[in-house]
Amino acid sequence: GESVGLHLPTLSVQEGDNSIINCAYSNSASDYFIWYKQESGKGPQFIIDIRSNMDKRQGQRVTVLLNKTVKHLSLQIAATQPGDSAVYFCAENRAGRRALTFGSGTRLQVQP
Amino acid sequence: NAGVTQTPKFQVLKTGQSMTLQCAQDMNHEYMSWYRQDPGMGLRLIHYSVGAGITDQGEVPNGYNVSRSTTEDFPLRLLSAAPSQTSVYFCASTRLAGVNTGELFFGEGSRLTVL
Repeated sequence: GESVGLHLPTLSVQEGDNSIINCAYSNSASDYFIWYKQESGKGPQFIIDIRSNMDKRQGQRVTVLLNKTVKHLSLQIAATQPGDSAVYFCAENRAGRRALTFGSGTRLQVQP
Repeated sequence: NAGVTQTPKFQVLKTGQSMTLQCAQDMNHEYMSWYRQDPGMGLRLIHYSVGAGITDQGEVPNGYNVSRSTTEDFPLRLLSAAPSQTSVYFCASTRLAGVNTGELFFGEGSRLTVL
């Protein structure tokens, strides 16, 4: 069946360093890949999405890379700040399907 | 803008009790959905709706009912609470076009404990 998974449950980085959060997916039919950020006690917040016909997309301090050959997705956060400490989820969807499939999440800890 | 509002934020139930989790959005979104989040797992879809009068099941619908009588509201009913329904519940909404791209707007969550 389809699944979206993450390589590491916890990632610890120093403030100011770049962070890379990885995600593997299994469904070749996925059209969209999405990253969410969830701070403690809050609901998930949309960060960025990438369509399957793209390899890279950049946002504010974030870059998402998509490698369809190995079914791998990554979120890069530049100059990581304490406010970036959260759990990050990847998710996928197919056009016309009205339900996202979420991964289990990676906790990013930013050390001062 | 209030966005997506969920009530209550916390609830403790006894096995067999029923209750309704409320969700309201003020963004005129056609799509609304309920997810549950359990430790070590991602969010799992319970039910969703693409408009007033239209609902459909998600991945884990058993034990839950929904209705969509207005665009703004999408309540989730637990018919007979079980300990397995102890979880954090999130309501999310978006425009229909936003479902494809996955840009959902989530509420703050409702933490439910069933004893």
